Amino acid sequence: ETGVTQSPTHLIKTRGQQVTLRCSSQSGHNTVSWYQQALGQGPQFIFQYYREEENGRGNFPPRFSGLQFPNYSSELNVNALELDDSALYLCASNHAGTDYGYTFGSGTRLTVV
Amino acid sequence: DQQVKQNSPSLSVQEGRISILNCDYTNSMFDYFLWYKKYPAEGPTFLISISSIKDKNEDGRFTVFLNKSAKHLSLHIVPSQPGDSAVYFCAASGLGNQGGKLIFGQGTELSVKP
Repeated sequence: ETGVTQSPTHLIKTRGQQVTLRCSSQSGHNTVSWYQQALGQGPQFIFQYYREEENGRGNFPPRFSGLQFPNYSSELNVNALELDDSALYLCASNHAGTDYGYTFGSGTRLTVV
Repeated sequence: DQQVKQNSPSLSVQEGRISILNCDYTNSMFDYFLWYKKYPAEGPTFLISISSIKDKNEDGRFTVFLNKSAKHLSLHIVPSQPGDSAVYFCAASGLGNQGGKLIFGQGTELSVKP
């Protein structure tokens, strides 16, 4: 059991729509990161939240946004979906100050048509 | 700009033999390196890590070697088992204000044959 759960597991959206992906972090983990993994590639860092504030962002446009809540849950929102947004979206949590062994969820497979 | 590279997309090894997975990086500011294992339909699972102040870290059958001058690290699995068959990702971190960002390689698919 990974301790990090993501929902939904699969999702199909139409180009131009908006999507919200959800993550429930492992209890006690105050840091959550989101990654995008395209087919055949490694995960790419989207952003990280620490104590409900964004504290790091990768090379993704502003239409990718997030929220972290006090109950260890978080959201990834993507507006104006494009076909290239089709990917596996991974959530990872950790407790700041410990090692970098982030715990990943199983991901949400997003398909944009 | 691929800062972390795994140049072998796949590797096939016989059960009981050694598996060696390689990873190269370009940014000398990285100070922490990790290996993750990923099975289909699951998220990556943390395997082992190494700080840039060390050149070797061992955990059971898994050993990671770091060669800073060559900007190269490798993961050794001895002995390899069929259950080790998975995609292995190398990741690096430590770029100052990047907020815990991990930069992953493209992955190497390991197949351990009985």
